Amino acid sequence: GAVVSQHPSWVICKSGTSVKIECRSLDFQATTMFWYRQFPKQSLMLMATSNEGSKATYEQGVEKDKFLINHASLTLSTLTVTSAHPEDSSFYICSARFPGKGYEQYFGPGTRLTVT
Amino acid sequence: ELKVEQNPLFLSMQEGKNYTIYCNYSTTSDRLYWYRQDPGKSLESLFVLLSNGAVKQEGRLMASLDTKARLSTLHITAAVHDLSATYFCAVDSGADKLIFGTGTRLQVFP
Repeated sequence: GAVVSQHPSWVICKSGTSVKIECRSLDFQATTMFWYRQFPKQSLMLMATSNEGSKATYEQGVEKDKFLINHASLTLSTLTVTSAHPEDSSFYICSARFPGKGYEQYFGPGTRLTVT
Repeated sequence: ELKVEQNPLFLSMQEGKNYTIYCNYSTTSDRLYWYRQDPGKSLESLFVLLSNGAVKQEGRLMASLDTKARLSTLHITAAVHDLSATYFCAVDSGADKLIFGTGTRLQVFP
């Protein structure tokens, strides 16, 4: 149990376009989902926390207008990178949490974004 | 602001040897996690440590938590090549947010 999927697993886009990444909890209802970004050989940095039906809470330094997060249902959260630039190229990982499993977060497989 | 530091950042060790990775954090927390990450992959959960003095073991890995010292250790016993990966500790900041350590890249050679 507690499986989280992401789609796509990798994406290449041109500078200036927008890209949407989906995060789904497959066998549980996630009250909270988290989005992380990881640059090569670096640690994970939390970008934002989203709760179903409410606005996401962004970490300091993360542009909310650039990284749009929607948590429309208990099993789906989306991250849209708007007007992507090469510096947005990174590994994006989501995680999900639900009360039945305490405070542990379950991580998706990640999405590698390359902006050319 | 919670800060989490790991050391060493890079560890090259011979098969069969033992070593310990350290995770220090700056403010009080009751929950600490250890993860493994293989190149190009996401995180694999290894251990969840929820109380002072907690010790958990799985195979050649053993993790412990000292909340008073704000220190967790990940001990590797008789390393094998399959353990080569990057290991992260992560601390719950108290707002349901995880703050990750810098990571320790482990390479095990014959």
